[in-house]
Amino acid sequence: GDSVTQMEGPVTLSEEAFLTINCTYTATGYPSLFWYVQYPGEGLQLLLKATKADDKGSNKGFEATYRKETTSFHLEKGSVQVSDSAVYFCALSDRVKTSYDKVIFGPGTSLSVIP
Amino acid sequence: GAGVSQSPSNKVTEKGKDVELRCDPISGHTALYWYRQSLGQGLEFLIYFQGNSAPDKSGLPSDRFSAERTGGSVSTLTIQRTQQEDSAVYLCASSPGLAGGTDTQYFGPGTRLTVL
Repeated sequence: GDSVTQMEGPVTLSEEAFLTINCTYTATGYPSLFWYVQYPGEGLQLLLKATKADDKGSNKGFEATYRKETTSFHLEKGSVQVSDSAVYFCALSDRVKTSYDKVIFGPGTSLSVIP
Repeated sequence: GAGVSQSPSNKVTEKGKDVELRCDPISGHTALYWYRQSLGQGLEFLIYFQGNSAPDKSGLPSDRFSAERTGGSVSTLTIQRTQQEDSAVYLCASSPGLAGGTDTQYFGPGTRLTVL
């Protein structure tokens, strides 16, 4: 079945460092790809999404590009802040296959940004 | 407007007891999802509702788990005869249920269930 793999954490960065969190997926169809974020003590929030190959999702300085040839959706940010400390989940859904958005999540990557 | 709400926020129960978890989706959202977040398994899909019907219950781990949705709004997830492995955070999400394209799911804060 479809699945998502992402880099193991925890990741610790200094403020203003460059962030990359790798994500690859396995899917038989043409899924939509997502990054969700879970801040400490808060619920899961959609950070960005891309629905077809070569699309770039972006939000709050974060970006990810849907690469079908490498089945990847890596998350990047040029300069992280302490407030970016959270757990990041890469995810996919394939509405063509299921006709609804059954989201399959990766294991999550914990990010800590230190001043 | 109000987001997805869940109650209780925390639930501690004894093994063998039944528990009910409630989800209030965003008003007007026809699609509702339950997920479970546990240390060993990560985030797992449990069940999907469109209106009051549940076309996909494939993620429910056993027949001790059931869910219903009434009036196309509030949903209740019931776990009977709870076991320690049921301890997890249960998340509810809703989305507009639009045909075509990809809906954004909005998640509630979750219910943390601890089975002693």
